[in-house]
Amino acid sequence: GQSLEQPSEVTAVEGAIVQINCTYQTSGFYGLSWYQQHDGGAPTFLSYNGLDGLEETGRFSSFLSRSDSYGYLLLQELQMKDSASYFCAVRGDDKIIFGKGTRLHILP
Amino acid sequence: GAVVSQHPSWVICKSGTSVKIECRSLDFQATTMFWYRQFPKQSLMLMATSNEGSKATYEQGVEKDKFLINHASLTLSTLTVTSAHPEDSSFYICSARDDSSSSYNEQFFGPGTRLTVL
Repeated sequence: GQSLEQPSEVTAVEGAIVQINCTYQTSGFYGLSWYQQHDGGAPTFLSYNGLDGLEETGRFSSFLSRSDSYGYLLLQELQMKDSASYFCAVRGDDKIIFGKGTRLHILP
Repeated sequence: GAVVSQHPSWVICKSGTSVKIECRSLDFQATTMFWYRQFPKQSLMLMATSNEGSKATYEQGVEKDKFLINHASLTLSTLTVTSAHPEDSSFYICSARDDSSSSYNEQFFGPGTRLTVL
């Protein structure tokens, strides 16, 4: 079977840095992705890691360690608009499975 | 950029009726589309993988006779919720993979359809 674990909620202050962790257990693994979803909206793709290491895209970075079945999403210089749910997703076989999501609350 | 549309964006229907939801890739071809269901404050649950020209692949626990999927062209997949009941009320989201993209892992999501069954 496949399972992904990520914290249900994280709170941080505007301008700060926050890290959202994700651990996974899958029968096949072809990469870890991160998606952002605002309330009432559809998910939007943020990043993808197929190999170990750090991928940086602007204020967002994502990390993967395949040996540890672990990854994280790092958000820097937090802005109020970053308040959303963040999902890690693993591609196994021919489909992508999503974690339960982490609700990010940002305080002014 | 790749855009996926869904229609309708919301629908309210009576129990026992059928509802059809369309998912279109507007500026790319998609041999494969995915249908998800999301309950409030929960994750996206994959319902089925829709393949153009062939039968959809349903996830375990999803009734194929209740959730009919048709992927008749490279830009259109439809999900029909047959004999809908209040427990089918949910946010239904489709996604598509761009056939021409080298990034196998990026899916483009539609804006979702909120179904309320009275």
